[in-house]
Amino acid sequence: EVQLVESGGGLVQPGGSLRLSCAASGFTFSSYWMSWVRQAPGKGLEWVANIKEDGSEKYYVDSVKGRFSMSRDNAKMSVYLQMHSLRAEDTAVYYCARSSYDFWSPGYWGQGTLVTVSS
Amino acid sequence: QSVLTQPPSTSGTPGQRVTISCSGSSSNIVTPYVYWYQQLPGTAPKLLIYRSSQRPSGVPDRFSGSKSGTSASLAISGLRSEDEADYYCAAWDDALSGPVFGGGTKLTVL
Repeated sequence: EVQLVESGGGLVQPGGSLRLSCAASGFTFSSYWMSWVRQAPGKGLEWVANIKEDGSEKYYVDSVKGRFSMSRDNAKMSVYLQMHSLRAEDTAVYYCARSSYDFWSPGYWGQGTLVTVSS
Repeated sequence: QSVLTQPPSTSGTPGQRVTISCSGSSSNIVTPYVYWYQQLPGTAPKLLIYRSSQRPSGVPDRFSGSKSGTSASLAISGLRSEDEADYYCAAWDDALSGPVFGGGTKLTVL
């Protein structure tokens, strides 16, 4: 059974940093692109970033470029999202997702971790 | 404002058929890669339809998808109370070099 478990969310002040983690199990982790997708309170879904199977390619939505960095450790079957210079508009539930039938398309999702940026 | 446009809400009665539209542009929905997700209240999204009209295993055949030009649709037949959820379309956008989501449609089963 595919499982994705996010952690690392919490309350952080504007301008602060936070590192999210996502532990995967139940599939061959090194064979799939992975993504982060976020959802602001009461709002829709927004793709944030994704990373290729071997970590050699990474892509980001414009609003987080230069502030967020996605990485993965295939040995630990984990992906990470390092977030710097956080803003109030980054407040959201962050979901980790495994690709499905196309590299960019989330197939399986974690339960999400809430990031709140507030003073 | 989302790149893909969906109606904010729709409703139906049990047993009825409802459709949800998703309108894009030539940089996204023109490809066959439209996906639909269902998000039940308080839960993570779930993949419902992939590549415009394909259902993953375990998804009931009451759910179907279609695409024409720069628009896509999700149809739900034999509506049930447990279908009450938010539904999102998604597609790859060449101009943005990333996936984009619709704003979501809240389905209410009356």
